Amino acid sequence: GDSVTQMEGPVTLSEEAFLTINCTYTATGYPSLFWYVQYPGEGLQLLLKATKADDKGSNKGFEATYRKETTSFHLEKGSVQVSDSAVYFCALSVDTGRRALTFGSGTRLQVQP
Amino acid sequence: DVKVTQSSRYLVKRTGEKVFLECVQDMDHENMFWYRQDPGLGLRLIYFSYDVKMKEKGDIPEGYSVSREKKERFSLILESASTNQTSMYLCASRLADTEAFFGQGTRLTVV
Repeated sequence: GDSVTQMEGPVTLSEEAFLTINCTYTATGYPSLFWYVQYPGEGLQLLLKATKADDKGSNKGFEATYRKETTSFHLEKGSVQVSDSAVYFCALSVDTGRRALTFGSGTRLQVQP
Repeated sequence: DVKVTQSSRYLVKRTGEKVFLECVQDMDHENMFWYRQDPGLGLRLIYFSYDVKMKEKGDIPEGYSVSREKKERFSLILESASTNQTSMYLCASRLADTEAFFGQGTRLTVV
């Protein structure tokens, strides 16, 4: 079945450091890929998405590129802030059959001042 | 702003109680979902619905049922709550192939 694998956390960085959170996937067909963020005590919010190979999603300084050849969608940010501290989820959707997103286990990011 | 609203942020229930979690969306989405979130396990799909009165089992449906009598409302029912159902429950809705929108979550504790 479809699955998403994320690097385990927590990831602890100092402010202004470079961030990479790895995400790889297994899917039948051609999935759409998503990154969601969850701030403490809240639900999930869409951070960015990409719907086909080589697409780059970007938002709030975060970027991820859909790499079909390596089945990856790694999240990057050039300079993290304390306010980026949250849990990040990689997800996919294969748009045949059920319309639910399949999520990775989440990666907690802690940014220290 | 689009909105998915869950009826409670926090709930404490006793073992054996019947528990109802309510979710309402105002975006006219045909697809609605219930997930549970547990540390280290990410989000796991319990049930989903693609139309009024239609429902499909997700990956972990045991011990749960759902109801969708109106397009905007999707209810999760714990028939007889157990301690292993203590978790964060997240409702989401989605229009076709677009992004999913989530509610703020309900943290359920079963004692």
